[in-house]
Amino acid sequence: GAVVSQHPSWVICKSGTSVKIECRSLDFQATTMFWYRQFPKQSLMLMATSNEGSKATYEQGVEKDKFLINHASLTLSTLTVTSAHPEDSSFYICSASGGTGGSGYGYTFGSGTRLTVV
Amino acid sequence: RKEVEQDPGPFNVPEGATVAFNCTYSNSASQSFFWYRQDCRKEPKLLMSVYSSGNEDGRFTAQLNRASQYISLLIRDSKLSDSATYLCVVVSGGSYIPTFGRGTSLIVHP
Repeated sequence: GAVVSQHPSWVICKSGTSVKIECRSLDFQATTMFWYRQFPKQSLMLMATSNEGSKATYEQGVEKDKFLINHASLTLSTLTVTSAHPEDSSFYICSASGGTGGSGYGYTFGSGTRLTVV
Repeated sequence: RKEVEQDPGPFNVPEGATVAFNCTYSNSASQSFFWYRQDCRKEPKLLMSVYSSGNEDGRFTAQLNRASQYISLLIRDSKLSDSATYLCVVVSGGSYIPTFGRGTSLIVHP
């Protein structure tokens, strides 16, 4: 089945530093990658949608200059949290569709990255 | 009104019980529907897609009611291992962007 590898699984960083999270589709081409954030006991909140080779589309309220998304290839998308602050501490998770739009096939998730900013 | 709504629960049921969750959606143009399961501090995993005619996978049955704009998940003969959060996912036609409900927590006790 489709696998999305997400790294790192967890990271602790100092306030003001930047953190890069990678998601790789291992056995399929991820034309679209979704980036979510999930706070404890909350739903997954879509941050942005990225399509390979084009700029990401950010959801309202998500700062594109703070959360940099790069989807340079069909198998790799990255999210960089720049100048991280404690309020950015959350569970970040990517999800990929293989161009089918998810219809009948669902979406494959990475294992998530738990970011703690101290 | 939120795009996708679920009762957060928790639903606390004994082993062997039958439990059902509903999920309502607001966009009548939604075209794909899924149920995901999320264990604590883990990523969501696809449980099953939801088809117009309804579908069953072992102890799990999913149904779609387009007229009333809701989907349901029925779990029969609950196991302790079914304890998790069940997320309803709705995909809008055209955009293919999945929208998640906040999830329904299920606790199955001995």
